[in-house]
Amino acid sequence: KAGVTQTPRYLIKTRGQQVTLSCSPISGHRSVSWYQQTPGQGLQFLFEYFSETQRNKGNFPGRFSGRQFSNSRSEMNVSTLELGDSALYLCASSYLMTTANTEAFFGQGTRLTVV
Amino acid sequence: AQTVTQSQPEMSVQEAETVTLSCTYDTSESDYYLFWYKQPPSRQMILVIRQEAYKQQNATENRFSVNFQKAAKSFSLKISDSQLGDAAMYFCAYKGNKLVFGAGTILRVKS
Repeated sequence: KAGVTQTPRYLIKTRGQQVTLSCSPISGHRSVSWYQQTPGQGLQFLFEYFSETQRNKGNFPGRFSGRQFSNSRSEMNVSTLELGDSALYLCASSYLMTTANTEAFFGQGTRLTVV
Repeated sequence: AQTVTQSQPEMSVQEAETVTLSCTYDTSESDYYLFWYKQPPSRQMILVIRQEAYKQQNATENRFSVNFQKAAKSFSLKISDSQLGDAAMYFCAYKGNKLVFGAGTILRVKS
């Protein structure tokens, strides 16, 4: 069974640009959550999607948005990039929503560098 | 809001010895889950062990075990017979309606 796939693995963007990251969950999983990992702030929850609907959101500005498609694949978009958005973005999928007794499986992340 | 605290930024252990990583959390919820994740240099987050808050028995997975003290809101991870492959960043995580992670503890294993 294929794991969680995140693309691209590495990305370099310029300040002010926008970026879209993709996450393909494990087959059959309907929940996708996104996390930002930085040396200073650690791992922070961005949002969770379940059955194409955003179910929970972390404390990030509106420049961070996401969506989920009918096949459960999810995309995360960051507009007007800032230097501080440089981070490892991790995606996790699970069969049920995070509130349930279900394990989250993580992808290898997308390393975003903003210059 | 739930918080997770890992007070040890870095720990070292000799190969084959035992090490304990500390974690405390704060919550007003009664039903939740606790996890330890391992993140090696590859950055892949790997679940090490999980504990349901309603279970009094401490979880064990091979060389990994936890000491779960619900009243004290403490959830430490014990690694026995440490191996070189255990070297990684370890995150304690609380799960209510979202996963909340601690700052992580870097574990170094000396041969």
